[in-house]
Order: sequence, then structure tokens, then C-alpha cells
Amino acid sequence: GNSVTQMEGPVTLSEEAFLTINCTYTATGYPSLFWYVQYPGEGLQLLLKATKADDKGSNKGFEATYRKETTSFHLEKGSVQVSDSAVYFCALEDRGSTLGRLYFGRGTQLTVWP
Amino acid sequence: DAGVTQSPTHLIKTRGQQVTLRCSPKSGHDTVSWYQQALGQGPQFIFQYYEEEERQRGNFPDRFSGHQFPNYSSELNVNALLLGDSALYLCASSSRVGGSPLHFGNGTRLTVT
Repeated sequence: GNSVTQMEGPVTLSEEAFLTINCTYTATGYPSLFWYVQYPGEGLQLLLKATKADDKGSNKGFEATYRKETTSFHLEKGSVQVSDSAVYFCALEDRGSTLGRLYFGRGTQLTVWP
Repeated sequence: DAGVTQSPTHLIKTRGQQVTLRCSPKSGHDTVSWYQQALGQGPQFIFQYYEEEERQRGNFPDRFSGHQFPNYSSELNVNALLLGDSALYLCASSSRVGGSPLHFGNGTRLTVT
């Protein structure tokens, strides 16, 4: 079946530190991969996506590369800011029979201190 | 351009009661999906509506039902509420032609006492 395993949190960093949040997946088909971010009291916002192997998604300084050989999609940012504090979710969409349905990881809480 | 809007934002119900949550999709979107997000967990897919029909369903009991209207808006109904139904309910919309990514609303926080 389809599933996403995400790095356990919480993650606490100082401003300007390097961030990595690990994400691995299992999929029956050939999925698209996503990172969503959830700020307190809000819904989920798409942060970045990748639709095929070796694609790199990027947005707001965040990057993730679709690695089919390791079934991974790790999120990275070179220098985090206090405003990056949020919960980050890795997700996949199987583009076969369950098109439009996302499978989410459990989320990783990131707190950045000034 | 309004995004996905959900109502109400918060709701408190008693065990055994019934609840209806509402969602208006982003302009131009025709597909609506509902997710349940328990505290500290990732969202879990409930079901998806397109052309006023349920197209996919996750592992949720029949107490969870939905509807989509001709204007693409949608309702989620939960009957015989249980304490475990307390969660943030998220609506997401997308375009069938364009496919992903989903656009999410801010959710309805349901508390069952």
C-alpha cells in the first residue's frame, strides 16, 4: 500500500541553522511527492512538490529531491528563520487509481529560536 | 480570488449528536476532498467528491457521509458522534483537469464532549 514515514519531532533550531527533515515513502504506483506546511491555527499550505524521479522541488529557500532509489524526499533549508516555525508534512499522491488522494506522514514540528 | 472556505471554524457537540460541516472550493475547482486531522497526527483521507458523486473513500465508517452540490460546494455529515471524532476537519479542493496540488481550507475544529 501507500504510506509515508516522517522524521519524529519536535525539531528545535537556532536561527540561520541548517534544516533537514527526513521523509521516506512506500507506494504501489509511481507517486507525486509533496511537502505541506501548517502554521498554528491554519490549514495546510503547499510548500513544494516533485512529480518524477530526480526532480527537485523548491520554494522559499526550502528544497527536496525525489529519490526513487532510496524512496526518499527529504526537506532541507540552508538557513532557517523564526518565521519557519510550523508543522511540516510529507505526503504522496499515487497517480493511479487513487488520483487526488494524499497520504500524509505524521508531521514534524519545527521551532526556530532567535 | 477566494481560496477554500470552511464553516463553522469551531464546533462543540455532545456524544450521539449529528454534525454538518461545510466547504466552498477555490474558484475554478470542481473536486472536493475531506480529511480528518487528529491532534498531533497527519491528515487522514475521508472521501472525495466530483460531479456530485463520492469517487473515493478512505477507511472511515458509514457514520461519515457527504454531499456535493451543483456549485461544487460540499458538506460532511457525521452521525452518532463519538469522543474519538474530535479533530480538525479539513476540506481540500482541486481541479479534475489540472489534478493536484490540493488547496486546503483552514478547517473546522470539532470537539465532542
